[in-house]
This record gives sequence, C-alpha cells and structure tokens, in this order.
Amino acid sequence: DAGVTQTPRHEVAEKGQTIILKCEPVSGHNDLFWYRQTKIQGLELLSYFRSKSLMEDGGAFKDRFKAEMLNSSFSTLKIQPTEPKDSAVYLCASSFGGGATGQLYFGEGSKLTVL
Amino acid sequence: GDSVTQTEGPVTVSESESLIINCTYSATSIAYPNLFWYVRYPGEGLQLLLKVITAGQKGSSRGFEATYNKETTSFHLQKASVQESDSAVYYCALGSSNTNKVVFGTGTRLQVLP
Repeated sequence: DAGVTQTPRHEVAEKGQTIILKCEPVSGHNDLFWYRQTKIQGLELLSYFRSKSLMEDGGAFKDRFKAEMLNSSFSTLKIQPTEPKDSAVYLCASSFGGGATGQLYFGEGSKLTVL
Repeated sequence: GDSVTQTEGPVTVSESESLIINCTYSATSIAYPNLFWYVRYPGEGLQLLLKVITAGQKGSSRGFEATYNKETTSFHLQKASVQESDSAVYYCALGSSNTNKVVFGTGTRLQVLP
C-alpha cells in the first residue's frame, strides 16, 4: 500500500510569492492533517479534515494559510504571500480515527525555504 | 485551546540510566482526551510509540511507560534503563475520539551516550 505522498520535497520561494504544497493521503483514510514542524515550536497543527470537511483551520495561521481537500485522495496547502518566517518543514498525515487510535501516517514532508 | 507542554530538550543521559520526559496537557475542547507518545528515530518518520485512552491506565512499549493522570493532566514518559538506540525525538500528543483531532507538543530530543 502506498503511504502518504507529499510534493514537492523541497521548495524555495521569494518573499511574497504564493506556494502550493500537495498531499495524497493513504487510500481509505478519512482524516487528513497538515502540520508545520520547526525546531522551536515542534509540530503545530495548521488544518485538519475529517471526511473532506474542514474541522479546524489553524487559528493563528488563518490569514495566509489555506488548506483544501478537493477530493478524498488529494489535499493542498497554499501559503500566500510567503514570509521568511514560514521557512519550515510542512508535514501531511492521514489516519482512520486518528484522534482515537493515535495511528497517524506521516509523509516525508515538504521543506520550504523563503528568502 | 488544546495544547501539550513537554520537557524542553535536548536531554542527554548515559546508557543504562533512567529517563523521564515530562508531558502535561490542556484539553479545553476535548472532553475525554486520548494520550500518545510518538517517536522519530534518525532518518525515519514519526511513528506511534504508545497510547493510553483511559485515565488511570498505563501504556508501555519498547521498555517505555507512561501513565495517564487526569488529576495532574500529565502523561510523563519513563524508562528505567535507556539504550543508545533510544536516541530520538519524542513527542507527546493528545487526541479526540469525537473529532479525530491530534495536537502535538514541541518534541524532546533525547541523546543517549554510550
């Protein structure tokens, strides 16, 4: 079975640009999470979907971050406009009953560098 | 909001010494939180280490233990005798059975010296 696939693996953007990160969850999973990973803040929840419905849109990340789940097998995270402080690894994870079982499957991440 | 606070790393211990990584949580929107410890070994992805979904219960895996204490809102990770292979980053997390939401702490880097 294919795991969680994230593209691109690396992205370099200029300040002010728009970038779109993509995620394909594990087939059959109905929960999808976007996290931002930094050394200082650890894993911060940006958005999560349950059966394609947006359950949380990340509070402080709302203004420039927008996650969408176009269908059950594809999600995007748009950052617009990018700022240098957005430099981080963005992780996508999927699960079936994640909050209950804890069994989240993570992608390898998209490393974003904003100059 | 819902949050997790854990020991700030890095934590350095010698092989065969005991270990405790503290974790406390705040679950304002989750009535009955489930608690997890995740681990990321060098070169690998995040993976579930252990979980406890009932207050008062203890979970264990690979020699690690953690007890879900609802009174102190804590879920500390302990191991009696660490090994060099335990060197990794450990994340405490809480989850909701109702919404499936999972929130992580900042992670604690553990280095075990030979």
